[in-house]
Amino acid sequence: GENVEQHPSTLSVQEGDSAVIKCTYSDSASNYFPWYKQELGKRPQLIIDIRSNVGEKKDQRIAVTLNKTAKHFSLHITETQPEDSAVYFCAASIQDFGNEKLTFGTGTRLTIIP
Amino acid sequence: GAVVSQHPSRVICKSGTSVKIECRSLDFQATTMFWYRQFPKQSLMLMATSNEGSKATYEQGVEKDKFLINHASLTLSTLTVTSAHPEDSSFYICSARANWGLARYEQYFGPGTRLTVT
Repeated sequence: GENVEQHPSTLSVQEGDSAVIKCTYSDSASNYFPWYKQELGKRPQLIIDIRSNVGEKKDQRIAVTLNKTAKHFSLHITETQPEDSAVYFCAASIQDFGNEKLTFGTGTRLTIIP
Repeated sequence: GAVVSQHPSRVICKSGTSVKIECRSLDFQATTMFWYRQFPKQSLMLMATSNEGSKATYEQGVEKDKFLINHASLTLSTLTVTSAHPEDSSFYICSARANWGLARYEQYFGPGTRLTVT
């Protein structure tokens, strides 16, 4: 089955700086890569996703890049703000009706230092 | 749109009893729902995939007789933890997959249920 590794497990950055979180996946058939933000005791919230037919996607301060050859994808947060502090999870799945389960990475605890 | 609710949000039960958790998609139909378990400071681990009108598909290592899943309608899936033990204490989260357009790729998560077994 799919295996997703995520690094780093913890990350502290000064407010205003950029944060980068990286994930690698094992199954070359995976074609959908979402990123979730989870605050303590809350539900995971989808913040951005990318499909395998594109290499990069951006939404305001958040961007995701995908390298299918190397089987890795990254989350980039620019101009970080205190409210960006949370745990971020990457995930991978094969989007094929009847088989869409997500495999999550181990999470990155991001702390923004004011 | 795409709101998923869970009930209850917290439950405390005694060892040996059963607990039912409900997952509802409030404003869309979900033919597929997923049940996850999350231990403190850990990732989400998929327990089972729930399909409306058919049997759930359990992940390896998850006891289907202990974690009963019923997906009786397009908006409701239930997880029943039978004969609960303290080691079943965890945060249980469901998600529902949209089934329209490109949104069919996305999963929308419920707020989770914190189960404590004493």
